[in-house]
Amino acid sequence: EVQLVQSGAEVKKPGESLKISCKGSGYSFTSYWIGWVRQMPGKGLEWMGIIYPGDSDTRYSPSFQGQVTISADKSISTAYLQWSSLKASDTAMYYCARCRDSSGYCVYWGQGTLVTVSS
Amino acid sequence: EIVLTQSPGTLSLSPGERATLSCRASQSVSSSYLAWYQQKPGQAPRLLIYGASSRATGIPDRFSGSGSGTDFTLTISRLEPEDFAVYYCQQYGSSLLFGGGTKVEIK
Repeated sequence: EVQLVQSGAEVKKPGESLKISCKGSGYSFTSYWIGWVRQMPGKGLEWMGIIYPGDSDTRYSPSFQGQVTISADKSISTAYLQWSSLKASDTAMYYCARCRDSSGYCVYWGQGTLVTVSS
Repeated sequence: EIVLTQSPGTLSLSPGERATLSCRASQSVSSSYLAWYQQKPGQAPRLLIYGASSRATGIPDRFSGSGSGTDFTLTISRLEPEDFAVYYCQQYGSSLLFGGGTKVEIK
């Protein structure tokens, strides 16, 4: 069974750094792209970027380029989304998803990680 | 850059009724690279339709997708209680982008 299990909710202060994770199981982790999607409170879905764990090829949405870093450690079948300096506006639910390819639809989704940034 | 506009913003219907959701792109979507997702409160999105009209595995046949070019439609033939949710279209292929969503609520 394909599963994507994300790390737990985080509460951080503005300016702090953060790295959240998404662990894949039940399939060959290095053979599928993993995408990240943001959902701000009460709002819609926003595409952030995507990574191919096999060779760490990474693509970012223009809106998120330079704002976050997407990475992966194929030895532990885990993808990451990280911030170097959080802002209050980063408060959102973040989902990872296994996608057909670098610009494809996504069938399997993680349960989401809620990030709250507040002073 | 392509913009996806979903309408209506909210659709108020009763169980058993037919739901018709629209997704309009500002430019033609290549090769009908258009997907639809369902999201219920507190849950991750679920893929319903890809390639504009192909149902994902396990999706009931009351869900159907149609359209090409710039105009796409998701139809739910007879609403079941579990279908009341928010629906998003997504363009893929050259870039990845979601529409703003349509909420289907119980009338």
